[in-house]
This record gives sequence, C-alpha cells and structure tokens, in this order.
Amino acid sequence: DTGVSQNPRHKITKRGQNVTFRCDPISEHNRLYWYRQTLGQGPEFLTYFQNEAQLEKSRLLSDRFSAERPKGSFSTLEIQRTEQGDSAMYLCASSPLAGLDGEQFFGPGTRLTVL
Amino acid sequence: DQQVKQNSPSLSVQEGRISILNCDYTNSMFDYFLWYKKYPAEGPTFLISISSIKDKNEDGRFTVFLNKSAKHLSLHIVPSQPGDSAVYFCAASQARGGGADGLTFGKGTHLIIQP
Repeated sequence: DTGVSQNPRHKITKRGQNVTFRCDPISEHNRLYWYRQTLGQGPEFLTYFQNEAQLEKSRLLSDRFSAERPKGSFSTLEIQRTEQGDSAMYLCASSPLAGLDGEQFFGPGTRLTVL
Repeated sequence: DQQVKQNSPSLSVQEGRISILNCDYTNSMFDYFLWYKKYPAEGPTFLISISSIKDKNEDGRFTVFLNKSAKHLSLHIVPSQPGDSAVYFCAASQARGGGADGLTFGKGTHLIIQP
C-alpha cells in the first residue's frame, strides 16, 4: 500500500523560470488537494480536485499558479515566472470521498527554492 | 486573519508525563477538527479527529477534547514518549474531509519530550 508521492522532492530554480511539480495520490482516492507551507506556518490550502474536476481554485495565490489533474489520477502544480516569495514547501494530499475520520493523507512535499 | 490559532509555538514535557496541546478557532462554521503530527522532511501525518457533535474522542494514548462554546480544542498525549517529539498541527474544516474548502491549519506547536 503506497502512500502519496511527490516529485521532485527538492527544486532550486532562478527567478523568472517556470516550475512544475507532480503528485501521485493513493490510487483509490477521488479527492486531491494542494497546499503551500512556509516557514513557521501551517499548510495553506491552494486548490481541490474531485476526480478530474477542479472544484476550487480561487485560493491559488496568483494567476501564475495553475493545477491540473488529467484523467483523475496524478496531478501537477505549475508556477510560472517564479518569484523569491514562492520559496516554500508544496504539499499534496488525497482522501477518499467518504473517509471515516475525514482525514487527508499527505505526501512528503516538494521544497522549492527560488534564487 | 487566523481562523485556527495555536498560541504556544513550543512545549517541553518530561517523558512519561501528560502533554497537552491547545488550539482555538474563530469560525463557528467549522464542524470537523483534526490533529496532525509532522516530523522534519516529511508530510503531516493524521493523528486523531473529532466532529462537532462530540466533545471527546480517544485513540490509544491520544485524546482530543472539544469545547464548542469556547471554540477550543485540546490534544492530550499520555504517557508522553520520546517519539512524540514533533510539530503538532491543529486543523479544521466545514465539511468532513475538507471538501472544497480544504483544511485550515494553525501554525503548529513544537512538542519536545525530554528524557
């Protein structure tokens, strides 16, 4: 039973470059979430997919951020024209539609450093 | 505007004693509350949850108490063990599993268990 996986684990990029992160949720999970965590803060909700439908994207931080989940399986989060303020840990989580305790299962995250 | 607040950035407890972590919230629409534990370089791991229709939920050494009128919850760990040393996040949502609003997290409390 594999958990949520995220790739890459670390990404260093120069300001202005585009970056893309991948999340592979637990295989039978319909729901997929992206969060951002900065130093000293808790995870901050960004966007939500139910299967392939992106049902919430108003919390994405700017129009430079976009996410997809083609075919309702893996998901990608793209940041265009990165800025130093985008440096953070990006977390993906998944859950079944009817989780017993309502918990989300988190991946290990992708740490982004923008130079 | 922090809707979920963890006012103690850190807490030090002797091994074998009780650890009590506190969390306050301001949004009266929250119906589900969860505690996550996070080790460095890993994603948050679900510990225990409680819905607003209950005032207590217990799972082994972990007990969560909810006081709706005070908008306050606490996590009790007894007895505390060295492996419990981690950052603990309180999270809340309006729908089970987060739904389209995701989870709203506090800033976390770093629990240190001293031998």
